[in-house]
Amino acid sequence: KAGVTQTPRYLIKTRGQQVTLSCSPISGHRSVSWYQQTPGQGLQFLFEYFSETQRNKGNFPGRFSGRQFSNSRSEMNVSTLELGDSALYLCASRPEGSDGYTFGSGTRLTVV
Amino acid sequence: AQSVAQPEDQVNVAEGNPLTVKCTYSVSGNPYLFWYVQYPNRGLQFLLKYITGDNLVKGSYGFEAEFNKSQTSFHLKKPSALVSDSALYFCAVRDIGRDDKIIFGKGTRLHILP
Repeated sequence: KAGVTQTPRYLIKTRGQQVTLSCSPISGHRSVSWYQQTPGQGLQFLFEYFSETQRNKGNFPGRFSGRQFSNSRSEMNVSTLELGDSALYLCASRPEGSDGYTFGSGTRLTVV
Repeated sequence: AQSVAQPEDQVNVAEGNPLTVKCTYSVSGNPYLFWYVQYPNRGLQFLLKYITGDNLVKGSYGFEAEFNKSQTSFHLKKPSALVSDSALYFCAVRDIGRDDKIIFGKGTRLHILP
């Protein structure tokens, strides 16, 4: 079956702009989580969605937001981009229960 | 709150030698524990997990990890390292008693020297 698909793979934006990233989970996975990966901080949890509801949220400013649609696809949005938002954004999905995540390949965002 | 620590930013091992990548965790309840590997410009790939049962867990590519409840550790091991094992390794924990989010350590870069 298809894996987790993230689009686009690469993105370059300027400071002050906004950006939307997309994630299509594995079929049947209703939980989708987003992480920001930077060299100094590792993977930092952004938020988790389950059945269109935000279930958990990390310690990021309100400029970072997300949503999940009825088909479990998820989007995250970052408004008023800052240079420090440059990172690899990873989406992961999992079925309910004890299993771990399946990750997408990520979206590399560069803010200039 | 749950947390994960990977005390080594980088580990260097000669090819053919055994390797260990360390991980300690903190949760209020019982943990689910995971190891993931990341190759350059890729997402994370699942290696193995501990849920319950045998403390020694075997995973992909010959890796294994040992759960030690008293030391709150979950170290990743392999008896004989390959150059192709060079990558970034992440330990992760999920506290089944609190909520469902999975928290990752900062990662350990493993270099296998030929």
